[in-house]
Amino acid sequence: NAGVTQTPKFQVLKTGQSMTLQCAQDMNHEYMSWYRQDPGMGLRLIHYSVGAGITDQGEVPNGYNVSRSTTEDFPLRLLSAAPSQTSVYFCASSYDRTLSSGNTIYFGEGSWLTVV
Amino acid sequence: DAKTTQPTSMDCAEGRAANLPCNHSTISGNEYVYWYRQIHSQGPQYIIHGLKNNETNEMASLIITEDRKSSTLILPHATLRDTAVYYCIVRVYGGANNLFFGTGTRLTVIP
Repeated sequence: NAGVTQTPKFQVLKTGQSMTLQCAQDMNHEYMSWYRQDPGMGLRLIHYSVGAGITDQGEVPNGYNVSRSTTEDFPLRLLSAAPSQTSVYFCASSYDRTLSSGNTIYFGEGSWLTVV
Repeated sequence: DAKTTQPTSMDCAEGRAANLPCNHSTISGNEYVYWYRQIHSQGPQYIIHGLKNNETNEMASLIITEDRKSSTLILPHATLRDTAVYYCIVRVYGGANNLFFGTGTRLTVIP
């Protein structure tokens, strides 16, 4: 049981390049999401998914695309990288689609992205 | 989800209890109070949650006032490893499983 796995851990991109951050979980979780965290701030939700084939936007979706073709994987695509997308990205997952009392959300270790 | 207010930073002596306050004066009846912490840019870690009763687990205790407008997270014997940013988040029961983070409280445990 590896939990939530993110790759790559570090990446440097040039402005205008595209790339995909990978996220995989082996816990059969229905819910998966992506957050970004800028220095000195809390995490902000980019996109989320409540099951295979279903995705929705969070607080800061512009410049990012997601898809959920399998339960296990939830990749985040940067279409045309900009310096404003320099951030730490966290993937998260949980068993339930919605909040229930005992629900816990599991986070990956983060992906550090720098756009120059 | 109701907004929360936390102090920006706090210090605590090692071995003493750390009491972290959170104000959530607009909380509604179906909203839970959750606490997470983030240690040095790692992914956030779940600590504890509650609705209206006080809760305790192996990590911490959560005290929620009777009117539910504020709460306090208590780390009974703080260690250096408890140095982290602590987030108090209000979440709607049955709502989407999304988290809305504020800036949290940076707790520094001092030797």
